[in-house]
Amino acid sequence: NAGVTQTPKFQVLKTGQSMTLQCAQDMNHEYMSWYRQDPGMGLRLIHYSVGAGITDQGEVPNGYNVSRSTTEDFPLRLLSAAPSQTSVYFCASGRQGPTNYGYTFGSGTRLTVV
Amino acid sequence: AQKITQTQPGMFVQEKEAVTLDCTYDTSDQSYGLFWYKQPSSGEMIFLIYQGSYDEQNATEGRYSLNFQKARKSANLVISASQLGDSAMYFCAMREGRKNYGQNFVFGPGTRLSVLP
Repeated sequence: NAGVTQTPKFQVLKTGQSMTLQCAQDMNHEYMSWYRQDPGMGLRLIHYSVGAGITDQGEVPNGYNVSRSTTEDFPLRLLSAAPSQTSVYFCASGRQGPTNYGYTFGSGTRLTVV
Repeated sequence: AQKITQTQPGMFVQEKEAVTLDCTYDTSDQSYGLFWYKQPSSGEMIFLIYQGSYDEQNATEGRYSLNFQKARKSANLVISASQLGDSAMYFCAMREGRKNYGQNFVFGPGTRLSVLP
């Protein structure tokens, strides 16, 4: 199984450009989420989805959009990139259910906005 | 308020010695899960160990064990017989039971462990 696949692995954007980070999972997980990782701050939740057609905001949603048209895919869109969005982005997926269900993470996307 | 606190930004340990990474958490839920993830320099997030709030025994997975003290709301990770490959960032995370709909993980800021030869 591929697990959670994120593309691209690296990206450089100019301020004001838009782009989409792709995330796909093949485990039929209901739950998918996007996190950003910044030094000293751990992982912060941007947006999440509990199923196709259902999305909600996390802790740091400003400047990002998501949609979930299928169970497998959960793209993250940067509307107008800003240097403050320079970060490492992780997509994660998991199953609904008891608290012992952990998350599976993608390998990350390192984004630099100049 | 911080839900997960990891007070050690960086730790050093000699190879073959044991090391404890601290984690305290804050929740009003009765049902919750605690996780530790390892992030090596390559960047991926690797699941290490899980402890449920109702588990009476401390979780163990090979060289990893979780020292769970529920009354103190602490879930420290103990790595026995450290190896050079254990050098990485370690994150403590919590999943709260009442948030089944959102099922959000909350992460601590991490502890960078360096194993010295």
